[in-house]
Amino acid sequence: AQKITQTQPGMFVQEKEAVTLDCTYDTSDPSYGLFWYKQPSSGEMIFLIYQGSYDQQNATEGRYSLNFQKARKSANLVISASQLGDSAMYFCAMRGGGATNKLIFGTGTLLAVQP
Amino acid sequence: KAGVTQTPRYLIKTRGQQVTLSCSPISGHRSVSWYQQTPGQGLQFLFEYFSETQRNKGNFPGRFSGRQFSNSRSEMNVSTLELGDSALYLCASTGGLSYNEQFFGPGTRLTVL
Repeated sequence: AQKITQTQPGMFVQEKEAVTLDCTYDTSDPSYGLFWYKQPSSGEMIFLIYQGSYDQQNATEGRYSLNFQKARKSANLVISASQLGDSAMYFCAMRGGGATNKLIFGTGTLLAVQP
Repeated sequence: KAGVTQTPRYLIKTRGQQVTLSCSPISGHRSVSWYQQTPGQGLQFLFEYFSETQRNKGNFPGRFSGRQFSNSRSEMNVSTLELGDSALYLCASTGGLSYNEQFFGPGTRLTVL
């Protein structure tokens, strides 16, 4: 069975500092995709970054990068130069192999950026 | 390019009633997935539609159903509402199968009294 684990219920970070949000996953599929989403208090899920299981390099999107360690089954999100607007809930998700777009989500990490 | 739209944004119903939620995906996207988000259970997959066919279904009772139209718009229906159905219902739009980006709508917040 597929599973996503986020062990940090909440985190604080100072503005302009970098922060790492942890995510580990479990799957027996050789092909899978890993996603990170941001959910502000408004409720909308905002796509941040994607990493495919066969991608050789870590994904980056602006201030977001994904530290993908396949052997350890981890896909940590790194946010550089945190901004006050980064305060939100962050979810790690996985899509398994095959013809599906079904996502399995972790429980999320609530990030608070302090001035 | 317009994003994913969901209507209505807020709903209040009473137990036993039924409700229909609508999702319009990004233009050109053929895949729509539905999720339920509650404080207790987190984000749970309901079902996925691709080209009017249900591709996957989550572990929800038969009271939850959905469909997709030829223009890719999707609806989900919940019959005989229970208090536990109170949740944020999110739909996600994808260009095809196993694409790298899934875009979510703003959600419909359903309250069952």
